[in-house]
Amino acid sequence: EVQLVESGGGLVQPGGSLRLSCAASGFTFSDHYMDWVRQAPGKGLEWVARSRNKGRSYTTEYAASVKGRFTISRDASKNSLDLQMNSLKIEDTAVYYCVRVDDSGSYSFDYWGQGTLVTVSS
Amino acid sequence: DIQMTQSPSSLSASVGDRVTITCRASQDIRTSLTWFQQKPGKAPKSLIYTASNLQSGVPSRFSGSGSGTDFTLIISSLQPEDFATYYCQQHKDYPLTFGGGTEVEIK
Repeated sequence: EVQLVESGGGLVQPGGSLRLSCAASGFTFSDHYMDWVRQAPGKGLEWVARSRNKGRSYTTEYAASVKGRFTISRDASKNSLDLQMNSLKIEDTAVYYCVRVDDSGSYSFDYWGQGTLVTVSS
Repeated sequence: DIQMTQSPSSLSASVGDRVTITCRASQDIRTSLTWFQQKPGKAPKSLIYTASNLQSGVPSRFSGSGSGTDFTLIISSLQPEDFATYYCQQHKDYPLTFGGGTEVEIK
């Protein structure tokens, strides 16, 4: 069974840093692209970042709103996807979801974690 | 960026109704479109991938169609558990983008 479990959310002041983690299980982690998607309170969904699979050398993509501040990475030994968030802004307040991308060729999102809440406030 | 426009933004319907939600892309995305369902306080759930393929375990009353710029999600006979918000999303190009959502409410 595919499981994605996020952790690391919490309250942080503007300008601060936070590191989110996503523990993946039930599938071959290195075969899949993995993404972070966020949702501000009462708002829609916003794609944040992508880590491609091992075959694509774990290369990355970022939304313009987070580029240069956030870094997506993997710890292959732990089957963990991380999101290092620096220089946090109030508008980064959201539930952050870890999402798996299908590896059969559709490149669609197929599994989501339950999310972790990040609140940026003074 | 590719803009995804959903309509309507909300609708009221009764159990048993046929519901149609549309999604328009600002440029050709071929069939690189996914539909999601989200219930309050829960993570989104994939319903339809590559515009018309039903995700495993999703009831057959859900169907998707379209290609290029115009897409449709149909719920053929609305059930009580279908009251939720529905999102479309394109994965043709970066940044990946979502529609604004369609809230399906009980009439």
